[in-house]
Amino acid sequence: QQQVKQSPQSLIVQKGGISIINCAYENTAFDYFPWYQQFPGKGPALLIAIRPDVSEKKEGRFTISFNKSAKQFSLHIMDSQPGDSATYFCAASMDQGGKLIFGQGTELSVKP
Amino acid sequence: GAGVSQTPSNKVTEKGKYVELRCDPISGHTALYWYRQSLGQGPEFLIYFQGTGAADDSGLPNDRFFAVRPEGSVSTLKIQRTERGDSAVYLCASSPTPLAGVVGELFFGEGSRLTVL
Repeated sequence: QQQVKQSPQSLIVQKGGISIINCAYENTAFDYFPWYQQFPGKGPALLIAIRPDVSEKKEGRFTISFNKSAKQFSLHIMDSQPGDSATYFCAASMDQGGKLIFGQGTELSVKP
Repeated sequence: GAGVSQTPSNKVTEKGKYVELRCDPISGHTALYWYRQSLGQGPEFLIYFQGTGAADDSGLPNDRFFAVRPEGSVSTLKIQRTERGDSAVYLCASSPTPLAGVVGELFFGEGSRLTVL
């Protein structure tokens, strides 16, 4: 019940295309859903986050879509660029932050 | 420094040895977290400090793992009798004092890569 399941494991997208990564959770007590971006040899860095009282949040080329009834959320990267090539992790937590439960990660490769 | 600093960046040790990993959080951040990341996996929560005390240590896998934060700033993760399965990247993160109960963004360091031979 504490798991967050992420798919796909890897994704190849052409430059300018849309990258879509999906996550699903079971624990309805989760109330904070961030996405983290990680480059090789670096620690994860917060990309964008959403709380369950909204269905969508957009920041620049990055959008989170949240479906509370389905217990699913997704990250959309519009106009994907080679510099977006990284590993992306969804996560969830209770009590609005703190102890994060991470998904398994999606390795995104954007081809020029 | 500007970010979370972790030392050593790499540590190779032999099975059965004792290891200490250090984390220096962002100045002023009261919350500090330790995560473990195995190859190809997401970070796995180990322990969370609010100030000097461990607020949640439910992720520590067994009693070989212990962490301290005696003055509410620097933290040390200690692993006794290391095993090959302990090999991973140990990540530290910090965050500011929660506002109205909201923790918000965690700022991660680059991690300490531990290899147990």
